[in-house]
Amino acid sequence: DTGVSQDPRHKITKRGQNVTFRCDPISEHNRLYWYRQTLGQGPEFLTYFQNEAQLEKSRLLSDRFSAERPKGSFSTLEIQRTEQGDSAMYLCASSLTPGEETQYFGPGTRLLVL
Amino acid sequence: QQQVKQSPQSLIVQKGGISIINCAYENTAFDYFPWYQQFPGKGPALLIAIRPDVSEKKEGRFTISFNKSAKQFSLHIMDSQPGDSATYFCAPTRDTGRRALTFGSGTRLQVQP
Repeated sequence: DTGVSQDPRHKITKRGQNVTFRCDPISEHNRLYWYRQTLGQGPEFLTYFQNEAQLEKSRLLSDRFSAERPKGSFSTLEIQRTEQGDSAMYLCASSLTPGEETQYFGPGTRLLVL
Repeated sequence: QQQVKQSPQSLIVQKGGISIINCAYENTAFDYFPWYQQFPGKGPALLIAIRPDVSEKKEGRFTISFNKSAKQFSLHIMDSQPGDSATYFCAPTRDTGRRALTFGSGTRLQVQP
């Protein structure tokens, strides 16, 4: 078990471009969360999956954002038509429910939109 | 994030000293109270957590004190070490449903040797 992994670790893009991030949770973890962390702030909840079902999306997640978790394994977060305000660290976390409540976080993908 | 207020914003402690970080919350539905530790370039990692049926929990040098009536909980780090230098977040949540964490704004701790 190597923990939660995220790819890429860093992404620089130009405004208006589309970007996609990947998260591989701890194997057998059925819950997967996405959070966004801006500089000097705590992470904010974006969305979460129970297996392959996306159960809730935060109001922070505009229509330009879409997340998937096909087959309940890895997840992708896509941002279309990126804006400078999208620059942040995007964190993925996974947990096992019911059971241990601890959310295990990946190292994050740092996005910079120029 | 206005639901959770964390203080202080930054803290400098000498090696061997006690570090105290406070968290105040508004949502009375919260019933799980964790503290997360984050090092630069890493994701947050659970440090210690408490449930409202107890007022204090200790794990090694780390202690959580919980005051339900005041809607506050705090993290105490005894015998602080330079390796404890990190950003600490309180992140209360409801232990049912989505269990999404509501993070405070963080406390940057620096332990000087």
